[in-house]
Amino acid sequence: KAGVTQTPRYLIKTRGQQVTLSCSPISGHRSVSWYQQTPGQGLQFLFEYFSETQRNKGNFPGRFSGRQFSNSRSEMNVSTLELGDSALYLCASSFADLNTEAFFGQGTRLTVV
Amino acid sequence: GNSVTQMEGPVTLSEEAFLTINCTYTATGYPSLFWYVQYPGEGLQLLLKATKADDKGSNKGFEATYRKETTSFHLEKGSVQVSDSAVYFCALSTGGSNYKLTFGKGTLLTVNP
Repeated sequence: KAGVTQTPRYLIKTRGQQVTLSCSPISGHRSVSWYQQTPGQGLQFLFEYFSETQRNKGNFPGRFSGRQFSNSRSEMNVSTLELGDSALYLCASSFADLNTEAFFGQGTRLTVV
Repeated sequence: GNSVTQMEGPVTLSEEAFLTINCTYTATGYPSLFWYVQYPGEGLQLLLKATKADDKGSNKGFEATYRKETTSFHLEKGSVQVSDSAVYFCALSTGGSNYKLTFGKGTLLTVNP
């Protein structure tokens, strides 16, 4: 079956701009989570959506937002980009049961200049 | 809150050496435990998981046992190969409406021929 698809793979943006990243989960998965990966902070949880509802949010400023559509596809948006937002953004999909694992996409590498 | 502490790297081994990467956790409730692996330029792939105490997860020669009494989930492999070179992440999840993965900082493993 098809895996988790993230688009685009690479992005270069200027400080102050905004960006939208997209994630298509595995068919049948209703939970989509987003993570930020940086060399200094490691993998940090951004938010999780289940059936179009945000159920859980990490400790990130309000510039980071997301949404999920009825087909479970998800987007995350970062407004007023800062240099520190440069990171690999990973999306994961799952059934969200305690005992099931999350499947990750290849990520979107965002560089803010 | 939940947290995962894993052995700092980098770890450099010769081919066929024995590997141990230590992982301990703190969690509210009864989490599931995972090891993920990340190859250069890729997203995360599930390596193995365990969902209850004394469960042993295994895959591709890697093993880890869920030890509730010591809150540990150490990763082991008896004979590493060059192709095992990657970053390894220990993680835990709590399900339901609080579903998310909490990761350790990651351990870079390099295996030399």
